[in-house]
Amino acid sequence: DVKVTQSSRYLVKRTGEKVFLECVQDMDHENMFWYRQDPGLGLRLIYFSYDVKMKEKGDIPEGYSVSREKKERFSLILESASTNQTSMYLCASNLGAIQYFGAGTRLSVL
Amino acid sequence: GENVEQHPSTLSVQEGDSAVIKCTYSDSASNYFPWYKQELGKRPQLIIDIRSNVGEKKDQRIAVTLNKTAKHFSLHITETQPEDSAVYFCAASPADSNYQLIWGAGTKLIIKP
Repeated sequence: DVKVTQSSRYLVKRTGEKVFLECVQDMDHENMFWYRQDPGLGLRLIYFSYDVKMKEKGDIPEGYSVSREKKERFSLILESASTNQTSMYLCASNLGAIQYFGAGTRLSVL
Repeated sequence: GENVEQHPSTLSVQEGDSAVIKCTYSDSASNYFPWYKQELGKRPQLIIDIRSNVGEKKDQRIAVTLNKTAKHFSLHITETQPEDSAVYFCAASPADSNYQLIWGAGTKLIIKP
């Protein structure tokens, strides 16, 4: 059974804090993605990774960075959280066509 | 780059009726078009997909059609049921993108009893 696990379902952080969102997949997938989901805007790609230590910017990378030290783990980092980063964050992985999503992390920045 | 537009943003249909959601894409080289369903509070999941060498694909009550000339594709749900209520996302994958997906904005489908 496919499993993509995000470390937190809900997070509340203060403006200026450094925030780590973790994602782990157990399917040995090469590709991993971080999306941001906002109502009416669909899924917007923040960063993706095709291999360990490899990363590519997506459509909205500003204010975010990522880390992929191991194949199964892809971390999203908000260096200094701001209120406009309040959102739902979804991690996904794929091998071939199908993307498998984590349950999402709803982040509130106060 | 690729751009995907999805309409309508909200669709309300009577239970038992059909629902159609449409998407257009801009990059004629895109070759893979999936549809994902996201129920309230849950993760998106693939429900059906189509490749550019096929015009139509069916799976029980759902079907997807692709018109490459017009660069649009549609999701058709027949005999709608309450469990079809969800947000549906279309996407397109540009050629040679390693299945990176460009997403539509989503359609909230409401099934009225």
